[in-house]
Amino acid sequence: EVQLVESGGGLAQPGRSLRLSCVGSGFTFDDYTMHWVRQAPGKGLEWVSGISWDSDTKDYARSVKGRFTISRDNTENSLYLQMNSLTTEDTAFYYCARRNGIYPYYYFDFWGQGTLVTVSS
Amino acid sequence: DIQMTQSPSSLSASVGDRVTITCRASHGIRNNLVWYQQKPGKVPKVLIYGASTLQLGVPSRFSGSGSGTEFTLTISSLQPEDFATYYCQKYNSAPFTFGPGTKVDIK
Repeated sequence: EVQLVESGGGLAQPGRSLRLSCVGSGFTFDDYTMHWVRQAPGKGLEWVSGISWDSDTKDYARSVKGRFTISRDNTENSLYLQMNSLTTEDTAFYYCARRNGIYPYYYFDFWGQGTLVTVSS
Repeated sequence: DIQMTQSPSSLSASVGDRVTITCRASHGIRNNLVWYQQKPGKVPKVLIYGASTLQLGVPSRFSGSGSGTEFTLTISSLQPEDFATYYCQKYNSAPFTFGPGTKVDIK
C-alpha cells in the first residue's frame, strides 16, 4: 500500500524557517517525481514545488521561489521542503504528493495526509 | 503561466440532479487535466485524469470531457456522498496550477 507521511509542521514566527519532511513507503520512491501542494485553511489547493526522481529538475511556484527549497534523499525514501523567510501567507496544510509514473498521465495520484504550518507572531 | 478558472464557484443541487462543472485553461493544455474531489478535512481524491479517463474505483456517474482549453466534469445523478469541492489541475508542465474549486452543496 502506497503511503506518504508528512512531518515537521508547527508554529513559526514571520521571517523564521521550517523544514518539512515526507516519507514514502509501499512503492519504489526513486522511480517517482514528487511534489508539495498546500492549502490555506478554508481555501483552495496551491501547487508549491516539484522535484524529479534524480533531483535534476526542481520547479517552484512564483509565490515561494527564492524562499523555499525542495530536495529528496532516495536512500531514505524522503522528500523535504526547506521553507525560509516565512510569512503569514505561508500558513497552510502542506501535502506531499506522488506524480503518477505512467506517460503521459502525470497527475498526482497519491497524497499524504498533510502537515499544518502556522506562521504567526 | 497558464491560468485555470472554474465555473461556477459554487452550486446548490439536489440528490438525483445532473451537475456540470467547467474548467478553462488560458492556453491549450491538450488533455493534460485531472479532476479531484475534496471533502472537508480530507485529502483530494482523483476522479478523472487525461481529461476523460475515469480513475479506478470511481463511480461511473462521474465523467469528464474536453481538450485544449475547455473541460467539463459531469455528475449524471448527484448522490449524497458527492457533496464536496471539485478542483481541476493542469499537469503538462510547471507550474501545475489548480483551478479555484467548485463547491457543490445541498439545495
